[in-house]
Amino acid sequence: NAGVTQTPKFQVLKTGQSMTLQCAQDMNHEYMSWYRQDPGMGLRLIHYSVGAGITDQGEVPNGYNVSRSTTEDFPLRLLSAAPSQTSVYFCASKGGGAGGTQYFGPGTRLLVL
Amino acid sequence: GESVGLHLPTLSVQEGDNSIINCAYSNSASDYFIWYKQESGKGPQFIIDIRSNMDKRQGQRVTVLLNKTVKHLSLQIAATQPGDSAVYFCAETARTNTGNQFYFGTGTSLTVIP
Repeated sequence: NAGVTQTPKFQVLKTGQSMTLQCAQDMNHEYMSWYRQDPGMGLRLIHYSVGAGITDQGEVPNGYNVSRSTTEDFPLRLLSAAPSQTSVYFCASKGGGAGGTQYFGPGTRLLVL
Repeated sequence: GESVGLHLPTLSVQEGDNSIINCAYSNSASDYFIWYKQESGKGPQFIIDIRSNMDKRQGQRVTVLLNKTVKHLSLQIAATQPGDSAVYFCAETARTNTGNQFYFGTGTSLTVIP
């Protein structure tokens, strides 16, 4: 199993540009989530999904959209990038039910100029 | 919102010594707690977890202690090795109607001195 994969690893955007961060998992996990990590802030939940067709907002959803058309994929879309979205983005997945181990991807480093 | 905090942002220990990393949480309804290790340039990696109906759980060289009375969580690493140098996060989950939301602390940076 590849686990959780993310692409791209690095990205530079100009303010106002849009892009999609890709996330895929091959563990048949129902739960997937997106976090951003900023210095001194810890991981903050952006959006999450408990299964295909179901998404919900986390702590910091503004400026981001998600969809979950398949169990495997959970893309994160930035509609109009802003410098405040410069961060490292992590995707994670886990099996269904309470608790359970979250497996994280390697991250995408995004710089918005 | 929830708050999950760490008492010490940095910790340096000699190789072979034991390390203790502490964490405070605020939501008494949280029922599951996890410790993660994050090496530079990588994603967080699961270390050990504990449910709220337990007060201690042991793994390989690691032990997690949960004190629900004071809402405190700790990670003990025995015989710390250079490969243990990383940032360690605690996380808690509070079940919602649509699933679990995880809340992470800011992290403690552990440096092992050879």
